[in-house]
Amino acid sequence: DIVMTQTPLSSPVTLGQPASISCRSSQSLVHSDGNTYLSWLQQRPGQPPRLLIYKISNRFSGVPDRFSGSGAGTDFTLKISRVEAEDVGVYYCMQGTQFPLTFGGGTKVEIK
Amino acid sequence: EVQLLESGGGLGQPGGSLRLSCAASGFTFSNYAMSWVRQAPGKGLEWVSSISGSGAITYFADSVEGRFPISRDNSKNTLWLQMNSLRAEDTAIYYCAKGYCTTGVCFFDYWGRGTLVTVSS
Repeated sequence: DIVMTQTPLSSPVTLGQPASISCRSSQSLVHSDGNTYLSWLQQRPGQPPRLLIYKISNRFSGVPDRFSGSGAGTDFTLKISRVEAEDVGVYYCMQGTQFPLTFGGGTKVEIK
Repeated sequence: EVQLLESGGGLGQPGGSLRLSCAASGFTFSNYAMSWVRQAPGKGLEWVSSISGSGAITYFADSVEGRFPISRDNSKNTLWLQMNSLRAEDTAIYYCAKGYCTTGVCFFDYWGRGTLVTVSS
């Protein structure tokens, strides 16, 4: 199974300041079709998860451009350029390249 | 607009059964793999099971294989999870999620609001 490791566990951020979350996979996420199925999900308190970023760096419909994804192979990063109050929640990375599908343990973004 | 509406959650007895349903709308259901993902209270996300668009291929987490068959009816735009031999550790919110791809999942682009399953005597 592919293990997804996220750091940090918690990220207290000042409003308007950037935040960065790292995700590392235990093996390459490059699929046989050439795509890398690494996605990022946001879960606000009391809400279901919501897709933010897919295939490493593609923003999903309606996602603000302050969210960006980068990386390759086994190391990936989600960045929020300027954190807003509505960004509070838990962020998960997920690999969809190989079954069983696996998620990172989550990073809690909170306001200082 | 894509909508996924789960139902069927509630209190289940250890060793008992529950059947979850997910009614889908707003997209061509048969073109996409569908999945169940769960979240135990205060915990992270755990993939449970997926089924291809045609229904011919299924995948299961080790923790539920042999206990939770997944199925779909493309004529009714409905996904099911039959939960058998329930255990306390199956207690969680169960989310229905739409996959981007037809056979594999690739990534989940839409999620339902979830249905809570509590296993307790």
